[in-house]
Amino acid sequence: AQSVTQLGSHVSVSEGALVLLRCNYSSSVPPYLFWYVQYPNQGLQLLLKYTSAATLVKGINGFEAEFKKSETSFHLTKPSAHMSDAAEYFCAVSDPGGYQKVTFGIGTKLQVIP
Amino acid sequence: EAGVAQSPRYKIIEKRQSVAFWCNPISGHATLYWYQQILGQGPKLLIQFQNNGVVDDSQLPKDRFSAERLKGVDSTLKIQPAKLEDSAVYLCASTLSANYGYTFGSGTRLTVV
Repeated sequence: AQSVTQLGSHVSVSEGALVLLRCNYSSSVPPYLFWYVQYPNQGLQLLLKYTSAATLVKGINGFEAEFKKSETSFHLTKPSAHMSDAAEYFCAVSDPGGYQKVTFGIGTKLQVIP
Repeated sequence: EAGVAQSPRYKIIEKRQSVAFWCNPISGHATLYWYQQILGQGPKLLIQFQNNGVVDDSQLPKDRFSAERLKGVDSTLKIQPAKLEDSAVYLCASTLSANYGYTFGSGTRLTVV
């Protein structure tokens, strides 16, 4: 069964600093990988996805992630944090076959310090 | 494109009462999911529908939870009777296929007192 591990339940960065949120996956087949963002009292919004095309994936709001098979990682980055990036971020993995069940990580809460 | 609609947004009930949540997915999305998100945790899949058939309900507590998706469109999730530990946000999502990612509704926040 596939799973993801998010390292760091809370991450704090200064406004303008690099954002790095870590995600490692476990899957018996080449997976689909996703990052979602959740703002307070809202549902989850898709930031970006990897579905076996380019390994560097660009998403919305200036975020990007790189699929590294050798490291089983899919870390999320943004060169310069903005106050509006403060939210909770979830990494997720899906088996592209079958009925494509998606499994989420526990989430990383990003705090941006002015 | 209209998003995934969920209602109600908030619900407070006493333990042992029953409650129902409603979800209307994006038009044309054959796959619909209900997730439970307990505070401080990631979403946990409760049930997955493909059209009006259940394809995964392995983590649904079937002694108290039930769900249906009549006519392969909107869906209801019911809890009867509710327990304190059912306090969570219940999220509905839909998708065309996995490589599109999910579209989530805003969720229903349930508080059981």
